[in-house]
Amino acid sequence: ILNVEQSPQSLHVQEGDSTNFTCSFPSSNFYALHWYRWETAKSPEALFVMTLNGDEKKKGRISATLNTKEGYSYLYIKGSQPEDSATYLCALNTGNQFYFGTGTSLTVIP
Amino acid sequence: DSGVTQTPKHLITATGQRVTLRCSPRSGDLSVYWYQQSLDQGLQFLIQYYNGEERAKGNILERFSAQQFPDLHSELNLSSLELGDSALYFCASSVAYRGETQYFGPGTRLLVL
Repeated sequence: ILNVEQSPQSLHVQEGDSTNFTCSFPSSNFYALHWYRWETAKSPEALFVMTLNGDEKKKGRISATLNTKEGYSYLYIKGSQPEDSATYLCALNTGNQFYFGTGTSLTVIP
Repeated sequence: DSGVTQTPKHLITATGQRVTLRCSPRSGDLSVYWYQQSLDQGLQFLIQYYNGEERAKGNILERFSAQQFPDLHSELNLSSLELGDSALYFCASSVAYRGETQYFGPGTRLLVL
């Protein structure tokens, strides 16, 4: 079993603040790194799939970067809005297994 | 709406029983994944099927089995149920089998009494 770690576990920010969180994984087993947004009472929604070292992906105010050599990915949210409140999950895809982190719970305070 | 459907939405059953959860992938997706989310744990990958064949296996108990049918829908069978099997079971689908975006269904909430 591989250990995918996410930090912080939870985060409260004011509306308009920018924020970021981290996903760490064992780099030796890397095939792809997935980011998901999971709102309460809904199902996980795919944000990004990242495969190449140095990858940067962007979707509106949310972006992510990937460092496969050191085994981490950052997710950034610029100008947080209350609707960004959710749990953000990362998952390591080793090619034949998926290992999820426990998520970062983000609360954006209006 | 991701295009992935799961039935039933809720299921209440007793210990020792057997249940079947059903998943229909998005149109055009060949891979189906099953995940379990228990109260005290994060998402656990159970199993993946691609075009009818088992492709990857995760933390799936021997009491659990799955299959993917020719029309690409999938069923997860849970037998000899225990209290600890109470969880939210998600199905996800993707176009192929490696590295693609996975689209999650709404989940089936199973309660074993």
